[in-house]
Amino acid sequence: GAVVSQHPSRVICKSGTSVKIECRSLDFQATTMFWYRQFPKKSLMLMATSNEGSKATYEQGVEKDKFLINHASLTLSTLTVTSAHPEDSSFYICSARIVIGGLSHNEQFFGPGTRLTVL
Amino acid sequence: AQSVTQLDSQVPVFEEAPVELRCNYSSSVSVYLFWYVQYPNQGLQLLLKYLSGSTLVKGINGFEAEFNKSQTSFHLRKPSVHISDTAEYFCAVSDGYSGGYQKVTFGTGTKLQVIP
Repeated sequence: GAVVSQHPSRVICKSGTSVKIECRSLDFQATTMFWYRQFPKKSLMLMATSNEGSKATYEQGVEKDKFLINHASLTLSTLTVTSAHPEDSSFYICSARIVIGGLSHNEQFFGPGTRLTVL
Repeated sequence: AQSVTQLDSQVPVFEEAPVELRCNYSSSVSVYLFWYVQYPNQGLQLLLKYLSGSTLVKGINGFEAEFNKSQTSFHLRKPSVHISDTAEYFCAVSDGYSGGYQKVTFGTGTKLQVIP
């Protein structure tokens, strides 16, 4: 099946530093990847949609300058949390939509998530 | 706009008993519906999905769900739960149009707690 990986799985950083989270599709090409944020005991909140070779589309209320997304290849998207603050601590999950034969399928495959803790 | 409502935030059930997790959705167009399971500190795993065809959908781990268009529901059921089913379950809806971003909207989740 389609596998999506995330790295790192956990990261602890000091306030004011930047953290990069990688999302990779391991056995398929993903022209579109999604970044979600999950607060404790809450649902997933879509942050942005990342398209290979173009700028990401951010959801309302998400600061694009704080959450930098780069989708440099068909198998890799990165989320960089810049100047992280304790309120950025959260569980970040990426997903990828599979494309087969030029047709996009309506299922997203999720990565295992990255737990970010900002001290 | 599409939305998903999971009325029960927590459902305790004894082991080997049946369970139903409720999900209602709203959408102005045809929809694709999903149930995902999340174990602690892990990502989401797809349990089952409804795209078209038969309204009764069978998924992994013995789960099934029924799409009811008139009631705009997609309830998840299992006839006999196990301890290992203890997890958070999310219902999700996608508007399913081809191309574009096909945004998926998630419900707030239902925590299934199986009691030994």
